[in-house]
Amino acid sequence: GAGVSQSPSNKVTEKGKDVELRCDPISGHTALYWYRQSLGQGLEFLIYFQGNSAPDKSGLPSDRFSAERTGGSVSTLTIQRTQQEDSAVYLCASSPSGKGYTFGSGTRLTVV
Amino acid sequence: DQQVKQNSPSLSVQEGRISILNCDYTNSMFDYFLWYKKYPAEGPTFLISISSIKDKNEDGRFTVFLNKSAKHLSLHIVPSQPGDSAVYFCAAYNDYKLSFGAGTTVTVRA
Repeated sequence: GAGVSQSPSNKVTEKGKDVELRCDPISGHTALYWYRQSLGQGLEFLIYFQGNSAPDKSGLPSDRFSAERTGGSVSTLTIQRTQQEDSAVYLCASSPSGKGYTFGSGTRLTVV
Repeated sequence: DQQVKQNSPSLSVQEGRISILNCDYTNSMFDYFLWYKKYPAEGPTFLISISSIKDKNEDGRFTVFLNKSAKHLSLHIVPSQPGDSAVYFCAAYNDYKLSFGAGTTVTVRA
C-alpha cells in the first residue's frame, strides 16, 4: 500500500482480556518495528523484525506481549491478559532496511 | 535508560519568530540523527536528518545542527508558522534501531 496501515485505530478492552493489533507495512519494506507511546512519554521501542524473524525483542515489557510477522509483510502484536498500564498508543513503522522509518497512525489502546 | 533526551517538554513561540528545539544524547555509537513531527491522532512523520559526519543540514525553513563533541543537536525553524504547532521528536540511529526522545510540544502563537 501507499503507507503503513494499522488496525484498529482505537481499541477499548477490559482488564484481563487479550488484544491483537495489526500492522500492514509498506510493500517491499523488509524491516518492521513496533513502538508504543504512553501518556506524556516518548516512543518506547518494543520489537524489530527483519523479514519474518525478530532479531531484537528486547523492548517487549513482559511475557504477556508477543509479536509475529508472516510473509515478510503483515505483523500482529498480541497482548495477553491486558493491564491498565498497557494503555498507550502502539505505533508500527516500516523501513526498506535503510535509515528511513515510515510510521502508521497507531492504535490507541485503552484498558478499563 | 534514556539515551536520547529532550529536556524541554514544551515551547511557545510567536508566529514569524525562530523556534529552537534541543536534544542531547549519550550513546557515542549513534551515527545518524532525525527529527520527526507528530500531530494528534497521526503517526510521526519524518522532518529532517543529519549524518554524524556533518554538522549542519538545511531544508527550507528547517535546519538541524549537530555538535558531536557535546553530543547535542538542535532543530531551528525559521520563520515559525501556525502549522508548525505539533510535537517534535528527536531520534538517533544505531545500526538498525531508532531511539527517541520524549518530545517537545511546540505551540506557534498568532
